[in-house]
Amino acid sequence: DAGVIQSPRHEVTEMGQEVTLRCKPISGHNSLFWYRQTMMRGLELLIYFNNNVPIDDSGMPEDRFSAKMPNASFSTLKIQPSEPRDSAVYFCASTPQGSTDTQYFGPGTRLTVL
Amino acid sequence: AQSVAQPEDQVNVAEGNPLTVKCTYSVSGNPYLFWYVQYPNRGLQFLLKYITGDNLVKGSYGFEAEFNKSQTSYHLKKPSALVSDSALYFCAVREGTGYSSASKIIFGSGTRLSIRP
Repeated sequence: DAGVIQSPRHEVTEMGQEVTLRCKPISGHNSLFWYRQTMMRGLELLIYFNNNVPIDDSGMPEDRFSAKMPNASFSTLKIQPSEPRDSAVYFCASTPQGSTDTQYFGPGTRLTVL
Repeated sequence: AQSVAQPEDQVNVAEGNPLTVKCTYSVSGNPYLFWYVQYPNRGLQFLLKYITGDNLVKGSYGFEAEFNKSQTSYHLKKPSALVSDSALYFCAVREGTGYSSASKIIFGSGTRLSIRP
C-alpha cells in the first residue's frame, strides 16, 4: 500500500500566482481531509469530503481557497491568488469507512509564497 | 463543541525514564479520543485511540494512554523513553458520534517531546 500520496512535495511561487495541490487517498478510503499546519496556528482543518461530497468547508480561510474531489481517488486544493501568509505545510488525510476515524496522513506539501 | 487541550508545549525527559504527555478534553456525550505523532518533515501518524472499554489503551511503539472520565483526561504514557520517541505529539477528539461516516477530528495544539540521552 503506497499510503496517501501528495504532490508536489515542495512548491515555491510568487504572490498572486495560482497554486494547485494534489492528493491521492488510499484506495478504498471514502473520506478525505485537507489540513494546513503553521507554527503560529498549529494544525487547522480546511475541508473534508465523504464519498467525494464536501461535508464541512468552514475551515477554508477565504474565497481564494477552493477544493474539489472529482472522484474517489483524487482531490485538489487550489489557492488563487496566493499570498505570502498562505505559506504553510498542507496535509491531506484519508479514512476508511467505519474506522471510527483513524486518519492516514500524506507526507505534506510545503508551500512557500514569496 | 468538542475540544482538547494540551497544557504543555514541551516535555523533556531523560532516556530510560517514564514519560507522560498530558491531554484534557471537553465533549458532549461519549468521547472518541486519539493520539497522533509527527516526526520532522512527516505527516501525522496514528498511535492509539479510545472508543470504549478498558481505560488503559495500549498502542504502537510501547505507548499507552490512560482514559480518566472523572478528570476528563487522556494522558499519553510510556514506561521507558527512547531518544527516538522525540517528536511532536497531538491529542485529538472526534466531533460527533456514530459509525456512519467520518466526522471532523479536533486536534490539540501539540506537545513537543524531547528525550535526552
